[in-house]
Amino acid sequence: GAVVSQHPSRVICKSGTSVKIECRSLDFQATTMFWYRQFPKKSLMLMATSNEGSKATYEQGVEKDKFLINHASLTLSTLTVTSAHPEDSSFYICSANQGARTEAFFGQGTRLTVV
Amino acid sequence: GDSVTQMEGPVTLSEEAFLTINCTYTATGYPSLFWYVQYPGEGLQLLLKATKADDKGSNKGFEATYRKETTSFHLEKGSVQVSDSAVYFCALSDQFGNTGNQFYFGTGTSLTVIP
Repeated sequence: GAVVSQHPSRVICKSGTSVKIECRSLDFQATTMFWYRQFPKKSLMLMATSNEGSKATYEQGVEKDKFLINHASLTLSTLTVTSAHPEDSSFYICSANQGARTEAFFGQGTRLTVV
Repeated sequence: GDSVTQMEGPVTLSEEAFLTINCTYTATGYPSLFWYVQYPGEGLQLLLKATKADDKGSNKGFEATYRKETTSFHLEKGSVQVSDSAVYFCALSDQFGNTGNQFYFGTGTSLTVIP
């Protein structure tokens, strides 16, 4: 199947700094990518839908100025957590769809710890 | 709105035991249903899927049947192995709804198989 690579897999940053997470589709072009966040003992919650060449669509309650999403090419979407705080510590995971296929391909996830 | 309710874990089984992980869903459209597996330190991998009522998805000895009458998609395996230890996520994609290929996930069920 198709491969989605997410980087980094783990990151520790200081409170107040920004962290960028990359999501790449390695062998297909993804017009749409999704960013999810997993809270402890909770399901994966959709944060935003990233569309190539246009602004991302954020879910209700997600601060777009804090979680900046850039989908500059058909193979790369980035999520930047700006001015990170300890409450932003979480597991973030991206997925990509290839056109109209129903199956989503997921990255390996990024464990963010803000200290 | 769409949602997935999944049996909470953790689940601990002896090798060769029978596994059932319950999953029920709520959807406004005609969803496709999925089971994803996450091995330690890795991303989500598609385990099996079913795209319409009465379909049975199967892979690696796991199977699940799309039951529209009970809105369920329970995961089963007749004889688990130590290598099956992982977190299992039930998910739906309502591709005919306004969510496109967005996925809704259950909370995940951690399975540990002991020799």
